[in-house]
Amino acid sequence: TQLLEQSPQFLSIQEGENLTVYCNSLSVFSSLQWYRQEPGEGPVLLVTVVTGGEVKKLKRLTFQFGDARKDSSLHITAAQPGDTGLYLCARPGDSGYALNFGKGTSLLVTP
Amino acid sequence: DAGITQSPRHKVTETGTPVTLRCHQTENHRYMYWYRQDPGHGLRLIHYSYGVKDTDKGEVSDGYSVSRSKTEDFLLTLESATSSQTSVYFCAIRPWGGRFYEQYFGPGTRLTVT
Repeated sequence: TQLLEQSPQFLSIQEGENLTVYCNSLSVFSSLQWYRQEPGEGPVLLVTVVTGGEVKKLKRLTFQFGDARKDSSLHITAAQPGDTGLYLCARPGDSGYALNFGKGTSLLVTP
Repeated sequence: DAGITQSPRHKVTETGTPVTLRCHQTENHRYMYWYRQDPGHGLRLIHYSYGVKDTDKGEVSDGYSVSRSKTEDFLLTLESATSSQTSVYFCAIRPWGGRFYEQYFGPGTRLTVT
């Protein structure tokens, strides 16, 4: 069972465009994390959102946690080639120790 | 930088041979994890450890075993490698006291089983 659905699966845009990617679940989660993974490297934590309705900004990246804590979005303003990578969302699993990851959105930003 | 290294970074092996991957951390973190990443499947948990000699299975543990005899090292062993175990393997740690399960990943090991 895929607990987290990410969309779109792939996204190819030109430098300067804006974009939004989504992470959805059928169940409420206590917190959600976003990671970015560049080719050939491990995922890197970008942000954790905890409170329903919460908005966090990281330079040109804006993260939002849905009011019902079942969904989250990542908006990138004026995308740059350096934003290219795989964006993963993750939530705490039922075990209490591990994370469940979505399959990710693969973003390509071309000059 | 969470001080995580993985070795080897690349390995090619033949079907039926044993393979051991090593994850080493320098900051005394209690929780350590092994994931595999495959196209179309994302990151899937193989095994994790919550202390020395304390380990448990993840969702794709068949064909894998782990050991943790020291805090700093978490070993993943494929007893008899199969082609379906061709993948990229990531080790991760979770800092003690992290309320929201944030994890920090190593650089990965690309394993090819021929």
